[in-house]
Amino acid sequence: GENVEQHPSTLSVQEGDSAVIKCTYSDSASNYFPWYKQELGKRPQLIIDIRSNVGEKKDQRIAVTLNKTAKHFSLHITETQPEDSAVYFCAARAAGNQFYFGTGTSLTVIP
Amino acid sequence: SAVISQKPSRDICQRGTSLTIQCQVDSQVTMMFWYRQQPGQSLTLIATANQGSEATYESGFVIDKFPISRPNLTFSTLTVSNMSPEDSSIYLCSIQGIAEAFFGQGTRLTVV
Repeated sequence: GENVEQHPSTLSVQEGDSAVIKCTYSDSASNYFPWYKQELGKRPQLIIDIRSNVGEKKDQRIAVTLNKTAKHFSLHITETQPEDSAVYFCAARAAGNQFYFGTGTSLTVIP
Repeated sequence: SAVISQKPSRDICQRGTSLTIQCQVDSQVTMMFWYRQQPGQSLTLIATANQGSEATYESGFVIDKFPISRPNLTFSTLTVSNMSPEDSSIYLCSIQGIAEAFFGQGTRLTVV
């Protein structure tokens, strides 16, 4: 099955700085890569996604890049704010439509 | 997006007992998924539940421990059987929307 790795596990940045989280996946058949934000005690919520036929996607302060050849994708958050503090999960959707998640990154934005 | 209702939201159970978690969706979906999220950990896929067929389990999960029902296209249950403290976790049901996964609010299970 699919194996998704995520780094770093924890990340602290000063407010206004950028944060980058990286993921790799193993199954070349995976074709969709969402990113989820999970606040304490809440369910994961989709923040951005990218399909396998696209190399980059941006939505305001959030961007995602995908390198299919290398099987890695990254989340970029610019101008970070304290409310960006949460746990972020990358995921890959396998050919059978199951989602496999990375191990998570706990992001802390220091005011 | 679909509305996913999951219950119970939390429970404290004695070891050796079983708990059945229910997941109701407000629209018909072909596939439903069950995940486990242990404290401070990621979401681990337990199984995929298709209506009218047996669930497909991921490596490390077996039907005897986590039996799943899928009687129709809007409902599924996950049972955690013969519980031990190691089963203490959050269990989430999930469906796929147009592309992304949506989640129920989760069931926080504590086994004592």
